[in-house]
Amino acid sequence: EDQVTQSPEALRLQEGESSSLNCSYTVSGLRGLFWYRQDPGKGPEFLFTLYSAGEEKEKERLKATLTKKESFLHITAPKPEDSATYLCAVQAMANNNDMRFGAGTRLTVKP
Amino acid sequence: ETGVTQTPRHLVMGMTNKKSLKCEQHLGHNAMYWYKQSAKKPLELMFVYSLEERVENNSVPSRFSPECPNSSHLFLHLHTLQPEDSALYLCASSLSGGSDTQYFGPGTRLTVL
Repeated sequence: EDQVTQSPEALRLQEGESSSLNCSYTVSGLRGLFWYRQDPGKGPEFLFTLYSAGEEKEKERLKATLTKKESFLHITAPKPEDSATYLCAVQAMANNNDMRFGAGTRLTVKP
Repeated sequence: ETGVTQTPRHLVMGMTNKKSLKCEQHLGHNAMYWYKQSAKKPLELMFVYSLEERVENNSVPSRFSPECPNSSHLFLHLHTLQPEDSALYLCASSLSGGSDTQYFGPGTRLTVL
């Protein structure tokens, strides 16, 4: 069965303190891995899609990387406005209608 | 209106009530989804529609009944719900089924008393 595990569950950083969020996955043939950001009381906001090991994508202070077993979301010099829950999800080749989500990492950036 | 909209944003209902959640997408997409998000649990896919045809139903109880009258609108009809059905219900759309990125609405916060 496809599984997605995100760690840590919660992360508190000082403004400017870089760190990484982890998404480990088990899937029978990866079609795509997705990162979303979710603010309290709102729907998830799309950040990145990664399709193959070695692929990297960047957006402002965020950089997503992918290996055959996990993905990292690197946050460089975070600001308080980066505080949110970050969700990882995978789609398998065998069932491309089903996006399997992890439980998320709740990030808090203190000024 | 842009993106994916959902109404109402908040809903409180008793276990004997019947209510409906509405989702509308303004992106020209052909696939729409219903998800359930409970506290500290991953998003759970409930229903998938592609070109107005239901293509997936992840063993959802019959007290939840979806309807997709056209590619821009999606409804979730609710009846005789249980308190454990209280959650954030999210609608999403994508250009087609498959690996296309899904774009989410703001959700409806449902409380069942």
